[in-house]
Order: sequence, then structure tokens, then C-alpha cells
Amino acid sequence: QQQVRQSPQSLTVWEGETAILNCSYENSAFDYFPWYQQFPGEGPALLISILSVSDKKEDGRFTIFFNKREKKLSLHIADSQPGDSATYFCAASAVGSSGNKLIFGIGTLLSVKP
Amino acid sequence: AQTIHQWPVAEIKAVGSPLSLGCTIKGKSSPNLYWYWQATGGTLQQLFYSITVGQVESVVQLNLSASRPKDDQFILSTEKLLLSHSGFYLCAWNRDSGNTLYFGEGSRLIVV
Repeated sequence: QQQVRQSPQSLTVWEGETAILNCSYENSAFDYFPWYQQFPGEGPALLISILSVSDKKEDGRFTIFFNKREKKLSLHIADSQPGDSATYFCAASAVGSSGNKLIFGIGTLLSVKP
Repeated sequence: AQTIHQWPVAEIKAVGSPLSLGCTIKGKSSPNLYWYWQATGGTLQQLFYSITVGQVESVVQLNLSASRPKDDQFILSTEKLLLSHSGFYLCAWNRDSGNTLYFGEGSRLIVV
């Protein structure tokens, strides 16, 4: 059973548009949700994260919207740039869990066309 | 600043041959260390984690083993490679109290 689901699997937007990447989860105990960005041939890098006590987190062009009741969150990338083309992973875990029980989704491949 | 380095960058190995992948972290004492595996175009699957020297916990069984011979070193190995071992292997670390994972640059493995 997939505990963290992402959609769409791939997304194409034009430069300047807002890309919206969706994520949902099953486990009510999850309270930490990082998003990772991965370029081909590289390791994933933390982009932005949110705790379940918040419903929004902004960092520049990147914003997470979080709905605890519906167990859903989304990553909005404003003014998308070709350099944002990458795979984005949503992940979830319970803060303080031992052995790092960070569960990753399958990823969304974003392509930004100039 | 902490740095994490993986080696080798890439390998092409024959089925049945042995494998050893390494990971070193500098600038952080007693980190938690992790091995992840990623199929091409796939998600990240945790394989092993270690919170201290000499102690390794297995998360999934993939005919692989891991060891932590030093505080700053994590080794992934197998005696006999399978075709299914092909993929991207990522080492990661985090702090005792932190959930954020920091990944290395990865090692690409192709088994033929």
C-alpha cells in the first residue's frame, strides 16, 4: 500500500506559469512533509518542508499548501523557469521517529518549456 | 559545513560478481547514515540505516548487506550481483533529532 501518493506523474508547463504538484498521504501520524528536487544523475536535495501545525509555507517562488483534514498537500512553483525542470518528490514522516521513517512518493517529473 | 561523498560514481558489473559501494561524510560527528536505492524513473527505497558505528538495521531484503566500519563511513556490498540490483544508490545522513535527509551525489550501477 502506497502511503504517500503523488500526482500527476508528469507535468509540462510554460515558462512563467505556476506549476502545481499534488501529494496525499494515508498515515495520520505523519507530521513532517519535505519536498525534494532531483535533477537527472544527481541526488535529491531538500527544496522546502512543512510541519502539520502549519497550513502554508513559502520560500521564494515555492509554496506548500497543507490540508490536514483531507491529508493533502501541494507544491506550487510560481513563475516556473526552465531550470526548475526536475523530478519532485513528496515525502512524509512522523517527527522523532527512529531510523528515519521518511516515506517517499513516486515523484512528479516537471518539464518547463521556454 | 558537512559534505557527503560517494564512490564510485558509476559501475558496470556482471551478474554474479561482487559489489562494494562507499559513502563518507565529513564535518559531522556521529551522524545517522542511510542507504537508498532508486530504480530508473522510480521512487526512493530505504535499504539500511545506521545510528552508530558497528550497528546497521536492514529495512528491505535485496540480497545486499551494509556495514559501518567507522563513524564517518558506510559501505554497501554484496557477494553476487543480480540484474535487479541495477539502479541508483544514494547515501544520506541526518542529525539525531532531525528528520531532514541530506543525500550524496549517488552511485549508478548497471548489472549486465
